[in-house]
Amino acid sequence: AQSVTQLDSQVPVFEEAPVELRCNYSSSVSVYLFWYVQYPNQGLQLLLKYLSGSTLVESINGFEAEFNKSQTSFHLRKPSVHISDTAEYFCAVRMDMGRRALTFGSGTRLQVQP
Amino acid sequence: IAGITQAPTSQILAAGRRMTLRCTQDMRHNAMYWYRQDLGLGLRLIHYSNTAGTTGKGEVPDGYSVSRANTDDFPLTLASAVPSQTSVYFCASSTAGGSPLHFGNGTRLTVT
Repeated sequence: AQSVTQLDSQVPVFEEAPVELRCNYSSSVSVYLFWYVQYPNQGLQLLLKYLSGSTLVESINGFEAEFNKSQTSFHLRKPSVHISDTAEYFCAVRMDMGRRALTFGSGTRLQVQP
Repeated sequence: IAGITQAPTSQILAAGRRMTLRCTQDMRHNAMYWYRQDLGLGLRLIHYSNTAGTTGKGEVPDGYSVSRANTDDFPLTLASAVPSQTSVYFCASSTAGGSPLHFGNGTRLTVT
């Protein structure tokens, strides 16, 4: 069965420090990869996506993620975090092309401290 | 404003009662989905519909049913609620190919 693993359930970090949120998936076929962010009491918002082409993708608010096919990873990074980045982050994968639904990881809570 | 509307926002429901969670989208997306979100488990797919008139089972379909009579609406029904169905339920939609999912704001359901 397809699966997505987010190894860290919580990541505490100080403001302006760099952060990496890890995501690994299991699949032997081509995939589409996504990161979503969820702020408290809200729905999920798309942060960035990888469909094809350049393996490094960026979001408008400074996050980036790199698709690594050999390691089946799609880690999310930001060189300098802000208090406002405090949220839950979900990695998601679409592996079954007959069904458009995404498979989600269990989430990583990013806690940015002053 | 285009998007997905879920209702109700929250609900407390007695076990054994029937409940329908409503979801409507105005983006003319072909595909729609229902997920449940539980702490430490992320989002798990309950049911999906690739196009109006068709539905499919996700990872955790037991105890839930859906219908897709038209493009815009995708209601989720709990025929006889149980406490393990206490969760936050998200409806989502998407177009074809690798397009991302667009999510509603969720329904927080508590079954007592």
